[in-house]
Amino acid sequence: EPEVTQTPSHQVTQMGQEVILRCVPISNHLYFYWYRQILGQKVEFLVSFYNNEISEKSEIFDDQFSVERPDGSNFTLKIRSTKLEDSAMYFCASSEIAGGDEQFFGPGTRLTVL
Amino acid sequence: AQSVTQLGSHVSVSEGALVLLRCNYSSSVPPYLFWYVQYPNQGLQLLLKYTSAATLVKGINGFEAEFKKSETSFHLTKPSAHMSDAAEYFCAVSGNFGNEKLTFGTGTRLTIIP
Repeated sequence: EPEVTQTPSHQVTQMGQEVILRCVPISNHLYFYWYRQILGQKVEFLVSFYNNEISEKSEIFDDQFSVERPDGSNFTLKIRSTKLEDSAMYFCASSEIAGGDEQFFGPGTRLTVL
Repeated sequence: AQSVTQLGSHVSVSEGALVLLRCNYSSSVPPYLFWYVQYPNQGLQLLLKYTSAATLVKGINGFEAEFKKSETSFHLTKPSAHMSDAAEYFCAVSGNFGNEKLTFGTGTRLTIIP
């Protein structure tokens, strides 16, 4: 069964460093998303991406964040200068269509900022 | 704006007993509603979704949920709990067109008592 994959599973970085989280969405999906979950809190939307551009972004997704689909398979989230409060589990998701279609989630990348 | 409220951050039930996890939503447009399950150290898996068809929705693993517009509720139930149901459950809402992000509740941790 097709699945969303994410690498790495765990990333440890120093405050101020850049990190890139990688995702491979399901191959025929057109809509891509990043969410994050700070430990013990709810899952929060970061950004959605369609047709090579951002569809919507949340207040969390400030200038330190960017997304890219560098090729036909990968979808990346970059944090330019990490802060302690960026420590969280980051989930990538993809869906075939928008508007109520199931979003398939990857297993997540746990980012720890020291 | 859309939101969901999950009543009860922790629910414990005995094996074989009824599972009832509560979710109330707020939405300015007809909503799409979802229940996701998260097992330890894993991503989010869709249990079921409501997308304006039948109000009683059946999902995987014996779970079902009923959309009640008058009560703005979408509670998740299962007649007989199994040990394998122990997990975190998230209710989520999205718009029905052009606003495909998921807005999650704070989650309910379900514990099954042998």
